[in-house]
Order: sequence, then C-alpha cells, then structure tokens
Amino acid sequence: KNQVEQSPQSLIILEGKNCTLQCNYTVSPFSNLRWYKQDTGRGPVSLTIMTFSENTKSNGRYTATLDADTKQSSLHITASQLSDSASYICVVKVRSGGSYIPTFGRGTSLIVHP
Amino acid sequence: NAGVTQTPKFRVLKTGQSMTLLCAQDMNHEYMYWYRQDPGMGLRLIHYSVGEGTTAKGEVPDGYNVSRLKKQNFLLGLESAAPSQTSVYFCASSQHRDINTGELFFGEGSRLTVL
Repeated sequence: KNQVEQSPQSLIILEGKNCTLQCNYTVSPFSNLRWYKQDTGRGPVSLTIMTFSENTKSNGRYTATLDADTKQSSLHITASQLSDSASYICVVKVRSGGSYIPTFGRGTSLIVHP
Repeated sequence: NAGVTQTPKFRVLKTGQSMTLLCAQDMNHEYMYWYRQDPGMGLRLIHYSVGEGTTAKGEVPDGYNVSRLKKQNFLLGLESAAPSQTSVYFCASSQHRDINTGELFFGEGSRLTVL
C-alpha cells in the first residue's frame, strides 16, 4: 500500500475556477510535507512546505493545509490559470535510519481549460 | 547557476547494452537521488547517496548501480538494459543540513528507451 495517497488522480477545470487537491499519508515519523508542481517534460519544483506544527501556508494563489492528527494535507488553487495545468505531487519526508528520505505520492494531473 | 544537470537528455538502447546517466549539481548539496517516473506510478526512488563515497538502495534498485566518487556527481549505471527500464529518469539533490526543510532540486530528466 502506498504510504502517500493523492486524490483525485486527475482533474479538469475551467480557467478561473478554484480546485482542491488531497494528500493522505500514513508514514511516520514525519518531518515535513511538501507540494511540488511538475510541468510536462520538466522536473518537479517545490511550491510549499509544511512542518507538523503548521496548519496553513500560502504561496500566491496556492494555499496548502495540514492536519497532522488526521495525516491529511490539501492544496487549494484559487482562480486557476492555464499555466496551472501540471501534475501536483505530495511528498512526505520520513526518517529512515539516520537519514530523512522523501516519500512520493503518485500525483494529481490537473488540466485547466480556457 | 546551473542547479542540477542531467546528461544525456534522450537515449535509445538495445536490450543488453549498457549505459551511464550523469547527474551534476553545483549547489554543494550532500544528498543526491535517482528516481524513475513511469505513467501512473509516480516517482520511485532507485538509489540515493547521503554523501561522497556513500550510496544506498531505494525502492526499485534492481538492474541499476550507482557511484558517488565526487560530491557534485552522482552516476546511474545500467549494466544490461531491459525493456522494463524504459522510463524517464530524474536526478535530485538536497542539503543534508536542511533536515527540516530539505527541498529537492530536480534535473530536467533523461528519457531512456530500451528496444
């Protein structure tokens, strides 16, 4: 079973609309959670980081939330733009031995139509 | 500042051939990673390194070898390529001291096709 589950797998919305992507994780101990954006044909780029003590963090039109008790995070995109079309990946950093190893979700593919 | 650079960007191999993917980072990062990305599977960790001269296995290490002889370089080798290794390979790096943030910086990817 994947330790980081994302939903939905894919999403299509109209330009200007809002959307929310979900990430549920079971890994522990937990260091931090990041959301990455991956444009087609490119490497992922970090959008936000959440530590276990943070509930909400914004980066422009992107707002991430974290509930460490229920092990759920969400990424809300406001007033979507065509350039938001990408894959959004939730990554949880987990302690493994003496190292902290990122554990990836499978991503949500977002398509924004004009 | 180049960040993370992967070479080559594209390669076609025949089954049984060998090749090496090179990853170079200029950010003085301690941690380096090799991932493969397949449709519907997301990014899966092949091998990683926590410092020069050290490597460790990830989730899907079989059929791959790695070396970290210099801090800035992380090499991924395929000794005998198989069609199942057709994929897009991503290298990433992060700063060890940055345990509580640990942003991954990715290369642009290397698309490998094994016929």
